[in-house]
Amino acid sequence: SQTIHQWPATLVQPVGSPLSLECTVEGTSNPNLYWYRQAAGRGLQLLFYSVGIGQISSEVPQNLSASRPQDRQFILSSKKLLLSDSGFYLCAWSVSLGYNEQFFGPGTRLTVL
Amino acid sequence: EDKVVQSPLSLVVHEGDTVTLNCSYEVTNFRSLLWYKQEKKAPTFLFMLTSSGIEKKSGRLSSILDKKELFSILNITATQTGDSAIYLCAVLPNTGNQFYFGTGTSLTVIP
Repeated sequence: SQTIHQWPATLVQPVGSPLSLECTVEGTSNPNLYWYRQAAGRGLQLLFYSVGIGQISSEVPQNLSASRPQDRQFILSSKKLLLSDSGFYLCAWSVSLGYNEQFFGPGTRLTVL
Repeated sequence: EDKVVQSPLSLVVHEGDTVTLNCSYEVTNFRSLLWYKQEKKAPTFLFMLTSSGIEKKSGRLSSILDKKELFSILNITATQTGDSAIYLCAVLPNTGNQFYFGTGTSLTVIP
């Protein structure tokens, strides 16, 4: 069966510090991978998605970036965090070629102080 | 621009009440609409709807899609405190690989 991991679970970082959040998927090959951000009590904002190694599509201009160095690994990064980067970050995967359901990881709660 | 709008944004009801959550969409080349429930962490899948007028049901939850009027509703009958969560609606178009999520409805069920 497929599982998706995210770490860390929680993170508190000062403004201006770098960020690296990692997401890995097990039990499937060539998944579509997604990074979402969710502000408190709100819906999901798509940040990036990837259909393959090295292929990243950005949905929202910001100081975040994403990379996919391996088939089942998706990384969200920032060189300098802003206060507005605080939120709940969710990684998700779906079967490639537009299958109908996304599966979400447990999320990372990021607080920027 | 493709978009998904949910209403109400938040809702507080008493146990035993029935609630109806709404999701309207403007998405080119619609393929399917999904409902998720999010309690503390990862959203969990509830329903996927692709055809108009066919009700999907799971216990006290049910959902239906109207592709002509471009909306879906999620009904919860005899609500319980465990139904308290954010309910997310997402639409998947035929083209592309991304899901369009609504802003969610925050439901609070009080005893």
